[in-house]
Amino acid sequence: ELKVEQNPLFLSMQEGKNYTIYCNYSTTSDRLYWYRQDPGKSLESLFVLLSNGAVKQEGRLMASLDTKARLSTLHITAAVHDLSATYFCAVALGAGANNLFFGTGTRLTVIP
Amino acid sequence: KAGVTQTPRYLIKTRGQQVTLSCSPISGHRSVSWYQQTPGQGLQFLFEYFSETQRNKGNFPGRFSGRQFSNSRSEMNVSTLELGDSALYLCASSAHGLDTDTQYFGPGTRLTVL
Repeated sequence: ELKVEQNPLFLSMQEGKNYTIYCNYSTTSDRLYWYRQDPGKSLESLFVLLSNGAVKQEGRLMASLDTKARLSTLHITAAVHDLSATYFCAVALGAGANNLFFGTGTRLTVIP
Repeated sequence: KAGVTQTPRYLIKTRGQQVTLSCSPISGHRSVSWYQQTPGQGLQFLFEYFSETQRNKGNFPGRFSGRQFSNSRSEMNVSTLELGDSALYLCASSAHGLDTDTQYFGPGTRLTVL
């Protein structure tokens, strides 16, 4: 059975600090996606990682993928309050990007 | 461009009833997926439709079904509702259903089963 594990599940950090969220998965896949969900809202796509060694950056967030280790990381640089949200990684199964197996989510709270 | 829309946004049903949820994808998008989100099980894939054909299916009982119309709009149906079906149901669309596609999620339909 496929497992996608994120850690930590909860993260409270001060503004200006750096931190990394980890996403481990148990099956062979070279497609991994990161999403953000604000409370009471839907999911917003952050990154699409499609190959081993892929690295994507947007603002204070940087995501990477190591398919051999079955590990993806989401690194937060100099956190700001606006980054407070729940972050999900998802592994694609089968063809296309629409059959996703989601991780448990990491609830990030950035404290001013 | 309008985003993914889902109707209704909120729904209350009783056990044993059936329910139909609707999803209108972004104009031009041909792939529609459905997900169930609950506090206990998290986000789980239900099924995906592409050009009116179910392409992928998650591990849900046959009470959960769906379809896609020629205009790419999709519906999902849950028959014989159970308390455990209470959840946020999210629909997502992408242009071609390719690996490189970005999935755009709708606001969801919150279903409460009493």
